[in-house]
Amino acid sequence: NAGVMQNPRHLVRRRGQEARLRCSPMKGHSHVYWYRQLPEEGLKFMVYLQKENIIDESGMPKERFSAEFPKEGPSILRIQQVVRGDSAAYFCASSLDSGNTIYFGEGSWLTVV
Amino acid sequence: GENVEQHPSTLSVQEGDSAVIKCTYSDSASNYFPWYKQELGKGPQLIIDIRSNVGEKKDQRIAVTLNKTAKHFSLHITETQPEDSAVYFCAASFHSGGGADGLTFGKGTHLIIQP
Repeated sequence: NAGVMQNPRHLVRRRGQEARLRCSPMKGHSHVYWYRQLPEEGLKFMVYLQKENIIDESGMPKERFSAEFPKEGPSILRIQQVVRGDSAAYFCASSLDSGNTIYFGEGSWLTVV
Repeated sequence: GENVEQHPSTLSVQEGDSAVIKCTYSDSASNYFPWYKQELGKGPQLIIDIRSNVGEKKDQRIAVTLNKTAKHFSLHITETQPEDSAVYFCAASFHSGGGADGLTFGKGTHLIIQP
């Protein structure tokens, strides 16, 4: 059973460009979470989505960041007009249902130059 | 919101000895406490979790204890091995069966197993 798949694993963007990070949850999982990890820090919750719905985006910056989980295809975390402070590892996680164990992907490392 | 404190930030133990990592949480409504192991360049891997209706859980060399009154929980690793070297994160959340389920993480403990 494939785990949570994230791509790209590494992404380099110049300041002002857009970054798109993709996440395919584990098979059968319909709940997706995005977390951000800054160097030497723990993971910070950003957003929780179910198919076609954003359930909780309380951890996501109000500007430049958006997330979606369409009916078909992977979940996308989009960062517009990236700045150096956006450089971090972005982890996607999925669960079978609300209240179930959350499994993480291997992460996407974003570097803004 | 929830706040999770984790100690120590770095822990060095001799191979074969035990390691203990402690976490405290602030929200008494939290009822789910997982522990994750993260190796360099990889994603967090769930190693054990405990729910608030249980005081202790064990899986081979790993055990977790929970004290709801004091709002703290601990990870215990016995007979440590070199492959246990990694960063360990505790987390807490409230699982209601519906609504937001974001985990709040501690800042991590870098566990170093000395040969």
